[in-house]
Amino acid sequence: EAGVAQSPRYKIIEKRQSVAFWCNPISGHATLYWYQQILGQGPKLLIQFQNNGVVDDSQLPKDRFSAERLKGVDSTLKIQPAKLEDSAVYLCASSLSHYTGPTQYFGPGTRLLVL
Amino acid sequence: TQLLEQSPQFLSIQEGENLTVYCNSSSVFSSLQWYRQEPGEGPVLLVTVVTGGEVKKLKRLTFQFGDARKDSSLHITAAQTGDTGLYLCAGAPGNSGYSTLTFGKGTMLLVSP
Repeated sequence: EAGVAQSPRYKIIEKRQSVAFWCNPISGHATLYWYQQILGQGPKLLIQFQNNGVVDDSQLPKDRFSAERLKGVDSTLKIQPAKLEDSAVYLCASSLSHYTGPTQYFGPGTRLLVL
Repeated sequence: TQLLEQSPQFLSIQEGENLTVYCNSSSVFSSLQWYRQEPGEGPVLLVTVVTGGEVKKLKRLTFQFGDARKDSSLHITAAQTGDTGLYLCAGAPGNSGYSTLTFGKGTMLLVSP
């Protein structure tokens, strides 16, 4: 079974530029999560989708971050414009369903450096 | 907001030593998970504990969930260099059984030969 795929693996941009990350969850998984992990900290949930609907986006900085999962499968997370403090690893995870328990499967992450 | 405090933040030991790391909260969790994250990779699930007082063993790793479902510990016996990584605990809130997780900041373990 293929795992969660993410691209790109690394990205370096200058502040005020825009960037987009892509995630393809495990086949059949209804729930998709985007996390931000700053160096030395645990993952912080940015947004959670159940199919193509948003379950939780309370910690998403909506003035600069946006995410979509239009067809309920793969997802894109965008930052526009980027700030220095956005430098972090962006992790995507998926699970069978929001309603069937907490087991999540993570992708390898995208490492973003904002200069 | 439910917070999970992990301790110690960093642990450096020699191969063969035993260690325990802790995950504490003032909130009750329906379940608690432990993940290991290696450099350049995403977290990988090690175990899920759901019942207060539950103890689970995974080879040299022993996980315990507190009776009140507010805290957990991970004990590693005879650590090996392959155990090096960031150990994260994550809790699912209250009695919901839903999938949203709150993560602790992690314990970075370095096992030297």
